[in-house]
Amino acid sequence: DGGITQSPKYLFRKEGQNVTLSCEQNLNHDAMYWYRQDPGQGLRLIYYSQIVNDFQKGDIAEGYSVSREKKESFPLTVTSAQKNPTAFYLCASSYTLAYEQYFGPGTRLTVT
Amino acid sequence: AQTVTQSQPEMSVQEAETVTLSCTYDTSESDYYLFWYKQPPSRQMILVIRQEAYKQQNATENRFSVNFQKAAKSFSLKISDSQLGDAAMYFCAYRSANNAGNMLTFGGGTRLMVKP
Repeated sequence: DGGITQSPKYLFRKEGQNVTLSCEQNLNHDAMYWYRQDPGQGLRLIYYSQIVNDFQKGDIAEGYSVSREKKESFPLTVTSAQKNPTAFYLCASSYTLAYEQYFGPGTRLTVT
Repeated sequence: AQTVTQSQPEMSVQEAETVTLSCTYDTSESDYYLFWYKQPPSRQMILVIRQEAYKQQNATENRFSVNFQKAAKSFSLKISDSQLGDAAMYFCAYRSANNAGNMLTFGGGTRLMVKP
């Protein structure tokens, strides 16, 4: 089945630790995205990548980093510099930047 | 910058009835796309319907239809014959057609409850 997978579904970390969230897609999409969702709010864009080895900052990139070494994978690292990392993180992909985005199931990150 | 506003934090509808969710947006652009996404309790975002601003005809997908009023910058979603599975958060989203980053701007969401 084609789709977007994010693992794990729930992630717990201690404050001060970096943590990496996984996002994999087998849809042959060129573009991938990371969003953050806080309770009762819409999604905000963290980073996006339109092609391998290229990525751009979104609206709230501070405290996050990404890599795009393979077309299928776009991992997000939440660094210790992110002031409020506890949130729900959604990964998305699209055929190209001009096409609709399709979302993965998300990862709930809790930092204590 | 574009903004998207959903003025109804919560709505409820009786099963089999019709409900309309409101969305307004602010933009100075003439060419753009509008979307409605559904987020059920599983929290996965599902694309419900899409509207191109240059099209006058309102988009329809089965029981879901939109009322797109470009001059008023309004983009409401009508759900007909509501089903229990329609209960979810619904997000309205905007994307510029000239946006090199394909960035979506989301509204704050409307929680839809369906009563049996």
